[in-house]
Amino acid sequence: GENVEQHPSTLSVQEGDSAVIKCTYSDSASNYFPWYKQELGKGPQLIIDIRSNVGEKKDQRIAVTLNKTAKHFSLHITETQPEDSAVYFCAASSLSGGYNKLIFGAGTRLAVHP
Amino acid sequence: DSGVTQTPKHLITATGQRVTLRCSPRSGDLSVYWYQQSLDQGLQFLIQYYNGEERAKGNILERFSAQQFPDLHSELNLSSLELGDSALYFCASSVAPAGGFTDTQYFGPGTRLTVL
Repeated sequence: GENVEQHPSTLSVQEGDSAVIKCTYSDSASNYFPWYKQELGKGPQLIIDIRSNVGEKKDQRIAVTLNKTAKHFSLHITETQPEDSAVYFCAASSLSGGYNKLIFGAGTRLAVHP
Repeated sequence: DSGVTQTPKHLITATGQRVTLRCSPRSGDLSVYWYQQSLDQGLQFLIQYYNGEERAKGNILERFSAQQFPDLHSELNLSSLELGDSALYFCASSVAPAGGFTDTQYFGPGTRLTVL
């Protein structure tokens, strides 16, 4: 069945460094790839998304790249800050029964140390 | 604040019991999705409703059911609860029914269910 693999499961960086999280999806028909940030005790919050007709998208310190041929996409966070510490989830759309649903990766716990 | 509300925030109950979780979508959103998040695990899609009708099913157990009401709020019913049902349950909403085009899902704060 459809699957999204996410790496690494944990990531520790120093404040100011960059962080990269990578995801691979299995469904070649996937056309929508959102990234969510989940802070402790809260629901996932959309931070950026990309559609299959775009190769890269940037929003301030956050960027996402998509390689449809290789079926992988990545989240890049530059100039990390302690408030970036959270669990990050990638997701990919998957068509099932005529309707798209989101398949989530297992998550990456990012720790940014001052 | 995503605009999606969920109640209750916490729920503690015993095995064998039945509970109901409630979700109100963002204003204007017609689709509601339910997800389960177990400890240290990702988000597992359970079920989706659009404008009152079931649209997609994921890994939802037969002991679980959901519905969406005319005012678009949704309820997730969990029955014959087991210890393994303890988890965070999230509701998300989006504008469209998510056919060929997948629109953005906005998540609520979740309900933490503890089965003792």
